[in-house]
Amino acid sequence: EAGVTQFPSHSVIEKGQTVTLRCDPISGHDNLYWYRRVMGKEIKFLLHFVKESKQDESGMPNNRFLAERTGGTYSTLKVQPAELEDSGVYFCASSPLRGQGTYEQYFGPGTRLTVT
Amino acid sequence: QKEVEQDPGPLSVPEGAIVSLNCTYSNSAFQYFMWYRQYSRKGPELLMYTYSSGNKEDGRFTAQVDKSSKYISLFIRDSQPSDSATYLCAMSANAGGTSYGKLTFGQGTILTVHP
Repeated sequence: EAGVTQFPSHSVIEKGQTVTLRCDPISGHDNLYWYRRVMGKEIKFLLHFVKESKQDESGMPNNRFLAERTGGTYSTLKVQPAELEDSGVYFCASSPLRGQGTYEQYFGPGTRLTVT
Repeated sequence: QKEVEQDPGPLSVPEGAIVSLNCTYSNSAFQYFMWYRQYSRKGPELLMYTYSSGNKEDGRFTAQVDKSSKYISLFIRDSQPSDSATYLCAMSANAGGTSYGKLTFGQGTILTVHP
């Protein structure tokens, strides 16, 4: 079974540009989460999808971040326009619905975003 | 104040040593407690999971949760060089509904086990 995949693995952009990160969850996992780790800080929650609906977006830092989940499958996280403080590693995680399997959130390898 | 505090280390031990990692937290709503292991350039991988208070053992790993003190621990016995990684504690509240809820992480402790 394929794990959570993320693309690209690394992105370097200039301040003011736009970047789109993609996450493909494990097949059948209806829960999809985005997290971010800024250098020297802990991994922080950004938002949570259940299927195609946003369940909790309390961690989104501002309206420069837009997350979508098309048809309840893959998800994209767009940053527009990017700022220097957006640099960090963006992780995606997925899990099955409660009661349909493990509680575990399975993490992807992350996308390392560098804004210069 | 952070919801979860974890000493980032780094921690360096000789092979075969017992390693003790711990986290404290402030949110009494946390009910699910996890330890993740993260190797360089990889995503976090679940090691241990505990619901509410108590101990759980899995091979060389033991997780302890003391909700009264808001303190969790991970012990690694007979540590191996392959255990060298960053260890992250994570917690979630009972969100109800269809999900277990978002994870709140500690900063992670960098562990090196040298031969």
